[in-house]
Amino acid sequence: GAVVSQHPSWVICKSGTSVKIECRSLDFQATTMFWYRQFPKQSLMLMATSNEGSKATYEQGVEKDKFLINHASLTLSTLTVTSAHPEDSSFYICSASFPGGSVGEQFFGPGTRLTVL
Amino acid sequence: QKEVEQDPGPLSVPEGAIVSLNCTYSNSAFQYFMWYRQYSRKGPELLMYTYSSGNKEDGRFTAQVDKSSKYISLFIRDSQPSDSATYLCAIYNFNKFYFGSGTKLNVKP
Repeated sequence: GAVVSQHPSWVICKSGTSVKIECRSLDFQATTMFWYRQFPKQSLMLMATSNEGSKATYEQGVEKDKFLINHASLTLSTLTVTSAHPEDSSFYICSASFPGGSVGEQFFGPGTRLTVL
Repeated sequence: QKEVEQDPGPLSVPEGAIVSLNCTYSNSAFQYFMWYRQYSRKGPELLMYTYSSGNKEDGRFTAQVDKSSKYISLFIRDSQPSDSATYLCAIYNFNKFYFGSGTKLNVKP
């Protein structure tokens, strides 16, 4: 149980275009979802925390107008990278937690590799 | 100062060796500590989860927290080639997770 999926698993786009990444909890309702980015050989950096039905909370230094997060339902959150540029190329990972789970327990998706040409 | 620091390695050991992975953290108020394993191009998966100080064992894996020195460890006994991955320590505090940079482990057959 507690499976999180992401789509697409990889995407290549041209500079200036927008890319949407979906994160779904397949067998549980995720009240909170987290979005991370990970550069090669570096750790996960939290970008934002989203709770279903409310605005996402962004970490310092993360542009909310560039990285649009929507958590419209208890099983789906989306991250849209607007006007993507090569420096946005990274591995984006979402995770989800649910009430009743162990404190601090979160389940990660498999990640989406974004390459901006 | 970063909330959690981790030696990035890489760490290379022969099969069957005991592996010790370590992190230090900055805030003595932290209570929840996790270890994740991440295979290449995959999302992390939770290995161990401990609250406060002490040890927790699960099969070949033992997680240890020393709050007096703000030090957390993961021990792997009888390491296998399939244990080759990047191991991330993490701390959970007020609905936010702080991750170490990860230690890349290679277990040679």
